[in-house]
Amino acid sequence: SQQGEEDPQALSIQEGENATMNCSYKTSINNLQWYRQNSGRGLVHLILIRSNEREKHSGRLRVTLDTSKKSSSLLITASRAADTASYFCATDAKETSGSRLTFGEGTQLTVNP
Amino acid sequence: DAGITQSPRHKVTETGTPVTLRCHQTENHRYMYWYRQDPGHGLRLIHYSYGVKDTDKGEVSDGYSVSRSKTEDFLLTLESATSSQTSVYFCAISESGFRPRNQPQHFGDGTRLSIL
Repeated sequence: SQQGEEDPQALSIQEGENATMNCSYKTSINNLQWYRQNSGRGLVHLILIRSNEREKHSGRLRVTLDTSKKSSSLLITASRAADTASYFCATDAKETSGSRLTFGEGTQLTVNP
Repeated sequence: DAGITQSPRHKVTETGTPVTLRCHQTENHRYMYWYRQDPGHGLRLIHYSYGVKDTDKGEVSDGYSVSRSKTEDFLLTLESATSSQTSVYFCAISESGFRPRNQPQHFGDGTRLSIL
């Protein structure tokens, strides 16, 4: 199975609520990244967390990384309708050369107004 | 937004024909990537480049070739297109210098390719 698997596959919440998405991976990593994709568009980088970091914040986003469990979570606080998108985690594995990422299948987030 | 242009944005072609997709960047980034995105598979790496004339295979490279003769352009060619190559193709770039790790990738808006 793939490195970087998101859970849940789909999430529907009301505006103002928090959204939490999880990512699991299998191998040792240099870093883990989260991306957002709006319908019909390319991926947009949200946040990068290195393997020696445990938590990182960017605006309404909070990412945690637990390398012992090989898992990460993305929390979006006070969600807005504009947050509706697919969210992907991607891992930069130690075993690969260069700056190659392996993406999961994504979580489709719907924020209802 | 990162200066990445993919062309064409949409293409419909027939099985057996050659197809070339172009990715053009204005950021002078060293690394360039081609992915395909299919339902149930997320994004999968086809080929990537770490410099002019320096390329390597990704996880789904069969049936695809690439070329990079200039820093700003990365071409993806399907020598003889098949229906299984119907997909959305994304180009990405990343800045690396001599330290390619821990850099985000920036994506173009994709090419929707249909092979009939």
